[in-house]
Amino acid sequence: DTAVSQTPKYLVTQMGNDKSIKCEQNLGHDTMYWYKQDSKKFLKIMFSYNNKELIINETVPNRFSPKSPDKAHLNLHINSLELGDSAVYFCASSLLAGGADTQYFGPGTRLTVL
Amino acid sequence: DQQVKQNSPSLSVQEGRISILNCDYTNSMFDYFLWYKKYPAEGPTFLISISSIKDKNEDGRFTVFLNKSAKHLSLHIVPSQPGDSAVYFCAAAWSGGSNYKLTFGKGTLLTVNP
Repeated sequence: DTAVSQTPKYLVTQMGNDKSIKCEQNLGHDTMYWYKQDSKKFLKIMFSYNNKELIINETVPNRFSPKSPDKAHLNLHINSLELGDSAVYFCASSLLAGGADTQYFGPGTRLTVL
Repeated sequence: DQQVKQNSPSLSVQEGRISILNCDYTNSMFDYFLWYKKYPAEGPTFLISISSIKDKNEDGRFTVFLNKSAKHLSLHIVPSQPGDSAVYFCAAAWSGGSNYKLTFGKGTLLTVNP
């Protein structure tokens, strides 16, 4: 059973479109995260939710809007996609809302904006 | 500003020998450190961690050493196996306060040759 799953695995779209990436975890964790790995390979946190509440919001454009319908899901919606949004997006979860708690990552979604 | 640095983008070792991956950090508030391993087309998976109250943590073939005064940590893998070939990310966190995020290095690609 996959612990943290993301869909889709690959997403190719045109500039200006709106797209969503879904994430689900079956670990019973309270906290979920979205990370972006850009072309320079840095993994940077974008958002974190604890019990459906936003607790981390890094400097991310307003075009990115996370939504957590319940503790097991954290979806990422992106409006008006730009070329620079091309990256691999990783979802993660942890039991507690603490940086010292082990985070479990999904397989990633490779987004390509043409 | 890179707070976690992995200055070697790649490392190649022979099977059976020791692999040493290095990581430096600049933020003295970090008190918890983790290593993640990542295979292509998969998400990072947790490998081993160390708290700043320790200077060494061992788990099977993997040992992490922490030198707080030098703000340096290293991951030793011995003996190295071809299946260890992957990208290794160093990550750091501050376990106190409201800083819940992991800060990642850029990763080091380890290749273990048979």
